Amino acid sequence: GAVVSQHPSWVICKSGTSVKIECRSLDFQATTMFWYRQFPKQSLMLMATSNEGSKATYEQGVEKDKFLINHASLTLSTLTVTSAHPEDSSFYICSAMGQDLQPQHFGDGTRLSIL
Amino acid sequence: GEDVEQSLFLSVREGDSSVINCTYTDSSSTYLYWYKQEPGAGLQLLTYIFSNMDMKQDQRLTVLLNKKDKHLSLRIADTQTGDSAIYFCAESYNNNDMRFGAGTRLTVKP
Repeated sequence: GAVVSQHPSWVICKSGTSVKIECRSLDFQATTMFWYRQFPKQSLMLMATSNEGSKATYEQGVEKDKFLINHASLTLSTLTVTSAHPEDSSFYICSAMGQDLQPQHFGDGTRLSIL
Repeated sequence: GEDVEQSLFLSVREGDSSVINCTYTDSSSTYLYWYKQEPGAGLQLLTYIFSNMDMKQDQRLTVLLNKKDKHLSLRIADTQTGDSAIYFCAESYNNNDMRFGAGTRLTVKP
């Protein structure tokens, strides 16, 4: 079945650092990728939707300059958390949808801890 | 906005059936999903059902949809300890804008 790979799985870094998270679709072309944030014991909150080759569409309340999304190819999207601070610590999950418009397939998530 | 609600906890004994319930409010929902999340992992799509279907069965999983009441359930037969996880109900119109419930934490006791 469709596989979405997300890296890194866990990252710990100091406040002020920028962190890049990669999301790859391994066996299909992902025309649309999604980035979610999940707080402990809560549901997923959609941060942004990105289509290959175009700018991401951010949800209300999500800072575009803080969370930079690049979807440069049909198999790769990246989320960069710029100048990360402790309040950015969270579990970030990406998902991808192919041209067949089948349900989104999710990566395994990235646990980001900012000290 | 539109909501998806589900109970937060369910505890069953190994071998019993588990039934996880979900209600939603958006009458235009076309797709209804069940995802499983194990600790520290992403979401695994278990199954999904179209809104014009009443039931879908896949091995130990049975999904029932009551469109009139906007009620979705997931039944897991012969629940095993490996089924312990958080189960998310979700809905969307076109697979793009998905709305998730808060998740039901299923605990399976030996």
